Amino acid sequence: EPEVTQTPSHQVTQMGQEVILRCVPISNHLYFYWYRQILGQKVEFLVSFYNNEISEKSEIFDDQFSVERPDGSNFTLKIRSTKLEDSAMYFCASTAPGQGSYNEQFFGPGTRLTVL
Amino acid sequence: GENVEQHPSTLSVQEGDSAVIKCTYSDSASNYFPWYKQELGKGPQLIIDIRSNVGEKKDQRIAVTLNKTAKHFSLHITETQPEDSAVYFCAASRNTGNQFYFGTGTSLTVIP
Repeated sequence: EPEVTQTPSHQVTQMGQEVILRCVPISNHLYFYWYRQILGQKVEFLVSFYNNEISEKSEIFDDQFSVERPDGSNFTLKIRSTKLEDSAMYFCASTAPGQGSYNEQFFGPGTRLTVL
Repeated sequence: GENVEQHPSTLSVQEGDSAVIKCTYSDSASNYFPWYKQELGKGPQLIIDIRSNVGEKKDQRIAVTLNKTAKHFSLHITETQPEDSAVYFCAASRNTGNQFYFGTGTSLTVIP
């Protein structure tokens, strides 16, 4: 069964450093998302991406964040200058409208980002 | 924006008993309500979902009910098993491609 994959599974970085989190969505999906989950809290939306541009973003997704689909398969989240409060689990998700459930989002296993 | 509330935050049941988790939402434009199960160290996995044009949906031991008027929906798990132990999240969404608004999660423990 197709699945969303994410790399790395765990990333440790120093405050102020740039990180890139990588995702490979399911191949025929059209919408891509990033969510984050701070330990013990709810899953929070960051950004959605469709047709090679951001379609929606939350207040969390400030100028320190950017997303890119550099080729036909990868979808990346970049944090330019990490802060301690960026420590969280980051989930990538994708959707194929019209297939299966109405607009089910398929989630990857997540990348745990730890900022020291 | 949408606000999704979820209760209870923790739930312990004996194996074989039923478990019910409830969510409310605020945005009447929300029309898709998925439930996700998250096991330790893994991403959320869809277990069941419901659209606003139906009031109930069932899949084996799992069912979801939706009351659009009251803006609440519930997850029902019957004949619970230890492998049902996980964190369950409800969510609400508008149209395809729109973000999911998640509830705060319910940690379900099924005691053998």
